[in-house]
Amino acid sequence: AQKITQTQPGMFVQEKEAVTLDCTYDTSDPSYGLFWYKQPSSGEMIFLIYQGSYDQQNATEGRYSLNFQKARKSANLVISASQLGDSAMYFCAMREARGSNYKLTFGKGTLLTVNP
Amino acid sequence: NAGVTQTPKFQVLKTGQSMTLQCAQDMNHEYMSWYRQDPGMGLRLIHYSVGAGITDQGEVPNGYNVSRSTTEDFPLRLLSAAPSQTSVYFCASSYTQGSGYTFGSGTRLTVV
Repeated sequence: AQKITQTQPGMFVQEKEAVTLDCTYDTSDPSYGLFWYKQPSSGEMIFLIYQGSYDQQNATEGRYSLNFQKARKSANLVISASQLGDSAMYFCAMREARGSNYKLTFGKGTLLTVNP
Repeated sequence: NAGVTQTPKFQVLKTGQSMTLQCAQDMNHEYMSWYRQDPGMGLRLIHYSVGAGITDQGEVPNGYNVSRSTTEDFPLRLLSAAPSQTSVYFCASSYTQGSGYTFGSGTRLTVV
């Protein structure tokens, strides 16, 4: 079974509108972390936002917010006021503990295109 | 502030050749890992390390070796390159559980 599922291979949004990128996860660990990364066409991986499993409030970083619904095991990324520079691949990832070790598992990504 | 440095950026190998992808970080991060990225597959974990002298396998470890003799360096060795190892390889490091991983710029490897 996939640990991280991103069901939207591609998404389109008009400039200045908000968009939600979906992410569901599967874990039996009580302590885990959820991340979103952006990969523009240049190829680098850019960290956007983090949510810990025990965090009471949804994480926010500027125009990015993470809609964390623990019971539903979802961690959707919301981008407000989309900009042309937001066009990129977006990856959801989960960090789980394995004893004293940690592993980060990625979803397959969602390609976001922002239209002018 | 160099962050995570990967070398080389591009490499072409012949089937059966061996090589080492270098990864170095100057942030004193304990956690380091190697991923490969293939179209439609996202990033898949090859090997990871939680500190000097400690390594473990990830999701797709076959055909790759790692070692962690220092905190700074985490090289990835391809023992006998195969066309299936054609991919983009990323090295990443992290200081704590709550921090985002910092990624290198990637190595694009082609095996012919």
